[in-house]
Amino acid sequence: DSGVTQTPKHLITATGQRVTLRCSPRSGDLSVYWYQQSLDQGLQFLIQYYNGEERAKGNILERFSAQQFPDLHSELNLSSLELGDSALYFCASSVVSGQGGDTQYFGPGTRLTVL
Amino acid sequence: AQSVAQPEDQVNVAEGNPLTVKCTYSVSGNPYLFWYVQYPNRGLQFLLKYITGDNLVKGSYGFEAEFNKSQTSFHLKKPSALVSDSALYFCAAPPGNFNKFYFGSGTKLNVKP
Repeated sequence: DSGVTQTPKHLITATGQRVTLRCSPRSGDLSVYWYQQSLDQGLQFLIQYYNGEERAKGNILERFSAQQFPDLHSELNLSSLELGDSALYFCASSVVSGQGGDTQYFGPGTRLTVL
Repeated sequence: AQSVAQPEDQVNVAEGNPLTVKCTYSVSGNPYLFWYVQYPNRGLQFLLKYITGDNLVKGSYGFEAEFNKSQTSFHLKKPSALVSDSALYFCAAPPGNFNKFYFGSGTKLNVKP
């Protein structure tokens, strides 16, 4: 158990809908990362938050957004869902030492199925 | 472009034999390199990382990895494979001074009894 929690484990929804995925980082970690894992695109970095502020952005669609709250939990919002958004969404957390090379600890993921 | 590559989609090995899962990198500056393992329907688990120093890094579950700067490689190894090592293995690296990870495409390790 990494100490990172994600809810829900599974989510089934229809095209055009909006969903929210939730992540709680390990105790003491200020940074949260979101990744998407799909069969055709592998593991893709979406976005990073550090202590409530956006720190880095990856291949995140405009239909997707995220935020990190004062208690450090994070939510990933996916809207106008398409079939191609079906994937595993992982959250990870780490300390940020400022020196790079910080280990990221991953949650169990949320499996999103868009029908 | 900065990236990591895993040239093998799948590696098959017999239980008790040594295993190697390959990774090559292309990142500027001093690379930080990681290995993660993913079991079916599970999240990624950290195995080991190279920051600096000794080129042979020891990690969890008896795995180790060798950093080779001249060959820009960071291959994952284990002297004696177990059936329970069967999983998906990912090499990863943060580019530059950012903490986001670029992941390799993953290598499926099959260990046959």
